[in-house]
Amino acid sequence: QKEVEQNSGPLSVPEGAIASLNCTYSDRGSQSFFWYRQYSGKSPELIMSIYSNGDKEDGRFTAQLNKASQYVSLLIRDSQPSDSATYLCAADTGRRALTFGSGTRLQVQP
Amino acid sequence: DTAVSQTPKYLVTQMGNDKSIKCEQNLGHDTMYWYKQDSKKFLKIMFSYNNKELIINETVPNRFSPKSPDKAHLNLHINSLELGDSAVYFCASSPREGGETQYFGPGTRLLVL
Repeated sequence: QKEVEQNSGPLSVPEGAIASLNCTYSDRGSQSFFWYRQYSGKSPELIMSIYSNGDKEDGRFTAQLNKASQYVSLLIRDSQPSDSATYLCAADTGRRALTFGSGTRLQVQP
Repeated sequence: DTAVSQTPKYLVTQMGNDKSIKCEQNLGHDTMYWYKQDSKKFLKIMFSYNNKELIINETVPNRFSPKSPDKAHLNLHINSLELGDSAVYFCASSPREGGETQYFGPGTRLLVL
């Protein structure tokens, strides 16, 4: 069983819509969760981290964590074509490093 | 100022050759990592060093050998390159080991012919 799972997509949304990206993890002991964005040919860059149950907002981005359901999500409001990228979910899985999901490709249609 | 840098950015080489990739971070972090990203974008950890000590050594062929001369540098040497080694190799660093934010270098695109 993969430790961090994401739907590979592509997830296609129109410009201005809300994009919803989801991630599940298998280790109930995980405490730290991260969303990274990776443009084609570039390196992953951190968008948000979340450690407590509930929502965390930063500009157009909202991360949501539900530890009981072992579920993390990222909402992008007012999606822009520049948001088109692969979004990587990561969690600490007790391995002294982060474990990454395989990423969801988001396409925002102008 | 570049936080995590890698050289070279591109590496094209023949099967059987030996090559090295270098990584440096100027963030003052204690922990550094090597990841391999394949064509399907899956980011898989290979090695991790904390204060020059090897703490993660995943199931990687022993043709791959990391070296950390100090906590700001982590190099990766690959012997007898194979076609399947073609990938993007990312270096990353974090303040400490474990569930910490990691900062990635620009990547080294390795193509083995």
